[in-house]
Amino acid sequence: AQKVTQAQTEISVVEKEDVTLDCVYETRDTTYYLFWYKQPPSGELVFLIRRNSFDEQNEISGRYSWNFQKSTSSFNFTITASQVVDSAVYFCALSEGSGGSNYKLTFGKGTLLTVNP
Amino acid sequence: ETGVTQSPTHLIKTRGQQVTLRCSSQSGHNTVSWYQQALGQGPQFIFQYYREEENGRGNFPPRFSGLQFPNYSSELNVNALELDDSALYLCATKRGGQYTEAFFGQGTRLTVV
Repeated sequence: AQKVTQAQTEISVVEKEDVTLDCVYETRDTTYYLFWYKQPPSGELVFLIRRNSFDEQNEISGRYSWNFQKSTSSFNFTITASQVVDSAVYFCALSEGSGGSNYKLTFGKGTLLTVNP
Repeated sequence: ETGVTQSPTHLIKTRGQQVTLRCSSQSGHNTVSWYQQALGQGPQFIFQYYREEENGRGNFPPRFSGLQFPNYSSELNVNALELDDSALYLCATKRGGQYTEAFFGQGTRLTVV
């Protein structure tokens, strides 16, 4: 069975601080996808990134960066120079299989990030 | 804007009643998934429809059922509502047949009293 653990329930930082959100996953599949989503108070889940299990390259997108390490089954997310607008709940998610028409996502419980001015 | 619209935004139902939630998506999005998100939890997969047929189901009882229509809209029906069904219900749509992103709607907040 697949499982996603986000050990940090809540994180509070001051604007311009860097913050890392942790994600640890469990799966028996050799092919899988990992995701991060942002959920602002409006409720909509906003897609941030997808990585497949064969691509361990770290990725940077503006102030966001992701560190994927299969050896530790982790897919951590770092926000550099945080801003108040980054305040939201962040979810890590896992999808097993090769994709296509199957899109069952297993989510972690989320991390509430509060960035204070 | 994801192009995915859910209705209604909020509703209140009484225990034992039935409810229908709706989701409309972009043209060509022939895969729709529904999720239940209880307060303070991550979304839980309910089921998925692909080309109007259910092709995946999570750990939810049969009183949770769905439909997908040729116009890319879909419905989630819940019978015999229980208090624990109170949650945010999210739909996600995508193009099937290739690995593309799913787009989530803003959700329907259901409260069962």
